[in-house]
Amino acid sequence: IAGITQAPTSQILAAGRRMTLRCTQDMRHNAMYWYRQDLGLGLRLIHYSNTAGTTGKGEVPDGYSVSRANTDDFPLTLASAVPSQTSVYFCASSEDTSGANVLTFGAGSRLTVL
Amino acid sequence: GQNIDQPTEMTATEGAIVQINCTYQTSGFNGLFWYQQHAGEAPTFLSYNVLDGLEEKGRFSSFLSRSKGYSYLLLKELQMKDSASYLCALEDSNYQLIWGAGTKLIIKP
Repeated sequence: IAGITQAPTSQILAAGRRMTLRCTQDMRHNAMYWYRQDLGLGLRLIHYSNTAGTTGKGEVPDGYSVSRANTDDFPLTLASAVPSQTSVYFCASSEDTSGANVLTFGAGSRLTVL
Repeated sequence: GQNIDQPTEMTATEGAIVQINCTYQTSGFNGLFWYQQHAGEAPTFLSYNVLDGLEEKGRFSSFLSRSKGYSYLLLKELQMKDSASYLCALEDSNYQLIWGAGTKLIIKP
């Protein structure tokens, strides 16, 4: 089934540890995104990539980094996790970045930082 | 600045009709999305409005008034499976999405 695969599904992590959330899509979409979702807040964009080889900062990029070595993969790394990064993380993709840009989301990764 | 408001929670009865409102303020507007998100799952696309008026898709319809900065999602013949959060998202003139916090819809038998 075509779509987006995220791993891990959930993780409990000690503060200060490094963590990489994996995201792979098989739809050959050009654009990919990482969002975090917190109770009472809208989805907030962390980083995005309009095409393989390029990345950009979203609304809340601090403490996170991404890479886009190829079309399919877009990992999100927390270099040194802090409790405020406890959240549900969604990876998403879209065909391109022009108007009417429908996003396809992965199932999410629930991260708890203690 | 840009801002999106939608009610935090709504309750409706199975078989009834419910309207979920979304108001927004923005300096640049390209279109407006509605997504559905069941608890513990990913958001899924419902509708996109770029012109004023009503777009109908089966039991779900979405309305947009650009002059009023207002949209609503209308759900008819409610079913228990419609219990979910409904997310309104504004697409600005740079094609960036600004998301509302979502409206949790509770359907009662």
